Amino acid sequence: DTAVSQTPKYLVTQMGNDKSIKCEQNLGHDTMYWYKQDSKKFLKIMFSYNNKELIINETVPNRFSPKSPDKAHLNLHINSLELGDSAVYFCASSQALGNTIYFGEGSWLTVV
Amino acid sequence: GENVEQHPSTLSVQEGDSAVIKCTYSDSASNYFPWYKQELGKRPQLIIDIRSNVGEKKDQRIAVTLNKTAKHFSLHITETQPEDSAVYFCAASPNQFYFGTGTSLTVIP
Repeated sequence: DTAVSQTPKYLVTQMGNDKSIKCEQNLGHDTMYWYKQDSKKFLKIMFSYNNKELIINETVPNRFSPKSPDKAHLNLHINSLELGDSAVYFCASSQALGNTIYFGEGSWLTVV
Repeated sequence: GENVEQHPSTLSVQEGDSAVIKCTYSDSASNYFPWYKQELGKRPQLIIDIRSNVGEKKDQRIAVTLNKTAKHFSLHITETQPEDSAVYFCAASPNQFYFGTGTSLTVIP
């Protein structure tokens, strides 16, 4: 069983479109994250939720909107996609903030 | 906030040699230091971690050392094998994770 799963794995879309990436964890963790990994492999945190509440919101354009319907799910919606949004987006979870993070398999987003 | 620097950015070693990756951090409140390995096209996965009350930890061919006074920690891989080739990330955590910029390790057969 996959501990942190995210869909879709690959996404190719045109500039200006709106897209969503879904994430679910079955580890019983309280904290979930979205990370962005660019072409240089830098891992940058975007958001973190603890028990459905936003606790970390790094400097991210407001075109990115996370939603956590419950503590096992954290989805990422992106409006008006731009070329610079092309990256790998990793969902992750941990028992609590600062504990070991477990990553999903990543969602490869390409904006053309 | 925390600032984690990681060196080198790329590292090539001959199979069987040792590899060392170094990280420094700035926030003295950081108390947890994990290392992640990311193979090409895969997710980052935890390989070893250390907490601030420990100076060294070893797991088979992998070891991590921590110097709290100097605020630096290192990953040591001995007897490297081709399957060790990957990107390695260090992180420091006072509460949230701050990742280093990654080291691309290539083990030459």
